[in-house]
Amino acid sequence: TAGITQAPTSQILAAGRSMTLRCTQDMRHNAMYWYRQDLGLGLRLIHYSNTAGTTGKGEVPDGYSVSRANTDDFPLTLASAVPSQTSVYFCASSLAGTDTQYFGPGTRLTVL
Amino acid sequence: GQNIDQPTEMTATEGAIVQINCTYQTSGFNGLFWYQQHAGEAPTFLSYNVLDGLEEKGRFSSFLSRSKGYSYLLLKELQMKDSASYLCAVEDSNYQLIWGAGTKLIIKP
Repeated sequence: TAGITQAPTSQILAAGRSMTLRCTQDMRHNAMYWYRQDLGLGLRLIHYSNTAGTTGKGEVPDGYSVSRANTDDFPLTLASAVPSQTSVYFCASSLAGTDTQYFGPGTRLTVL
Repeated sequence: GQNIDQPTEMTATEGAIVQINCTYQTSGFNGLFWYQQHAGEAPTFLSYNVLDGLEEKGRFSSFLSRSKGYSYLLLKELQMKDSASYLCAVEDSNYQLIWGAGTKLIIKP
């Protein structure tokens, strides 16, 4: 079982360009999350989805959008990247919104 | 505001015991998680506490005092592979996780 996969592993992006980070889970978890992790800071929630068809904003949603068309996939889109979006992005999932979260391997994004 | 405090870095010796503390101030409390994160990797789940007291799981134990807003992770018989960051996270009243910045644990032979 793959668990949670993320793509790409890493990416260098020019400022102003758009990008979609992909996240897929095969555990039939209802809830999925996107976090960013920056040096010296805790993981910060960008967006979440408690079930397919619904999404919600986290602590730092500006500049990001998500969709949840089905249970397995939860893509994160940067419409017009800025250097402050340079970070490591982790996707996570849990059976329900209150359960233990399991993380994907992360995407390291550099915006120049 | 919401706040999770952990020491930035700790050093310990192989075979010894180390205690990593976490204090929190959050809007509501629905549980506390500890995760381990090796450099360049994803966080992995270690333990969950929702009631006061000690939860033991092999070499790792986690303690919670809700009245003091305090938890610790206790690692016994340290091994070199325990060198990692340890993340404390509190589930708030909205069931969202609030994360500490993590404690980098360095194990020396």
